[in-house]
Amino acid sequence: QDKLVQSGAEVKKPGASVKVSCKASRYTFTSYGISWVRQAPGQGLEWMGWISTYNGHIKYAQKFQGRVTMTTDTSTSTASMELGSLRSDDTAVYYCARGQVGSMLSPFDHWGQGTLVTVSS
Amino acid sequence: DIQLTQSPSFLSASVGDRVTITCRASQGISSYLAWYQQKPGKAPKLLIYAASTLQSGVPSRFSGSGSGTEFTLTISSLQPEDFATYYCQQLNSYPITFGQGTRLEIK
Repeated sequence: QDKLVQSGAEVKKPGASVKVSCKASRYTFTSYGISWVRQAPGQGLEWMGWISTYNGHIKYAQKFQGRVTMTTDTSTSTASMELGSLRSDDTAVYYCARGQVGSMLSPFDHWGQGTLVTVSS
Repeated sequence: DIQLTQSPSFLSASVGDRVTITCRASQGISSYLAWYQQKPGKAPKLLIYAASTLQSGVPSRFSGSGSGTEFTLTISSLQPEDFATYYCQQLNSYPITFGQGTRLEIK
């Protein structure tokens, strides 16, 4: 079964950066795009942005512009999301999710297991 | 940004009940709507896309309808494993947005 496996939990201090990875397996990595979605404790889902694994095209949500960087490594079938200038309200579970490679506007048919990022001094 | 408002936010129901969750968009989104199920501590799972298309492997007791600004998710006969939180998602335009969620609990 197609799979997305994310890196482990992180604890960071305010102002630091965090990088979360998402490794794809059992499917052709460059045939699907990757979105990143986060969920603060007890809250709903928030879309952060999308990257095409085929041509590297990126679209970030306005809220995260300037603070987030999404990348892919096709040699290892891995997508990554780095969020900088962390604040306490960035504490959340971060998910990668698979969609169409050519458009960010596609449903997410597979999700990673989630990575808890805790921001605390 | 397109806002999605789900109702109710909380729903208590019994096994075997028929339940309906509504998602209203702040502007027309054609049929570019998906529904997800999320259980505690787990990633969301895609149930329905394009407003009414059932994702492969999802039981047929789940169905979706609607277009424009009003959409519904219906579970025809609740099973114990259906008690979870449900989210709608619009895929009509940037940025992608989600509804606030509907928590479905056992009565």
